[in-house]
Amino acid sequence: KAGVTQTPRYLIKTRGQQVTLSCSPISGHRSVSWYQQTPGQGLQFLFEYFSETQRNKGNFPGRFSGRQFSNSRSEMNVSTLELGDSALYLCASSPRDRGDEKLFFGSGTQLSVL
Amino acid sequence: GQQLNQSPQSMFIQEGEDVSMNCTSSSIFNTWLWYKQDPGEGPVLLIALYKAGELTSNGRLTAQFGITRKDSFLNISASIPSDVGIYFCAGQRGAQKLVFGQGTRLTINP
Repeated sequence: KAGVTQTPRYLIKTRGQQVTLSCSPISGHRSVSWYQQTPGQGLQFLFEYFSETQRNKGNFPGRFSGRQFSNSRSEMNVSTLELGDSALYLCASSPRDRGDEKLFFGSGTQLSVL
Repeated sequence: GQQLNQSPQSMFIQEGEDVSMNCTSSSIFNTWLWYKQDPGEGPVLLIALYKAGELTSNGRLTAQFGITRKDSFLNISASIPSDVGIYFCAGQRGAQKLVFGQGTRLTINP
């Protein structure tokens, strides 16, 4: 089974721009979660999508949004980028069987905002 | 909200030494997971624990689900250079989102 695929691997943007990151989950996984990780910080939960619906949301401003398509692929968008948005953005998929959340992570998208 | 206290924050050891780290919470969890993250990569699941008192091994790694259900432990025996990375614990209650610890950064001197 192929793992979680995230594209692009690296991105460089400038302040004020917007960015879209893509995630393809493991085949058969219906849940996709997004996390932000900054140097020295833990994993900050952004949101979770399940069957095209946002099921959980972390404590991030409205500039961060996401969506999930019928094939479970997910995108997240960050508008009006700020310097502090520079981070590794991780996508994780889970079968969410019986609510069990065993997350499988992609390699991430490293976003640099200049 | 729920928080996991992971310790130590960092470890500097010699190759061949054993490693111990732990995760504690004020809340009860019914699932504990341990992940390892290499630089520039996403975390990889090492061990999953589902029952209080459970002891599970994966090669040189052994993890335990604490009896109180409020803590978990990870041990690495006979460390090697490729063990370098950040180790995260994560806990889950019911069908809620996973809660992650802040990570333990492991550095190994050859």
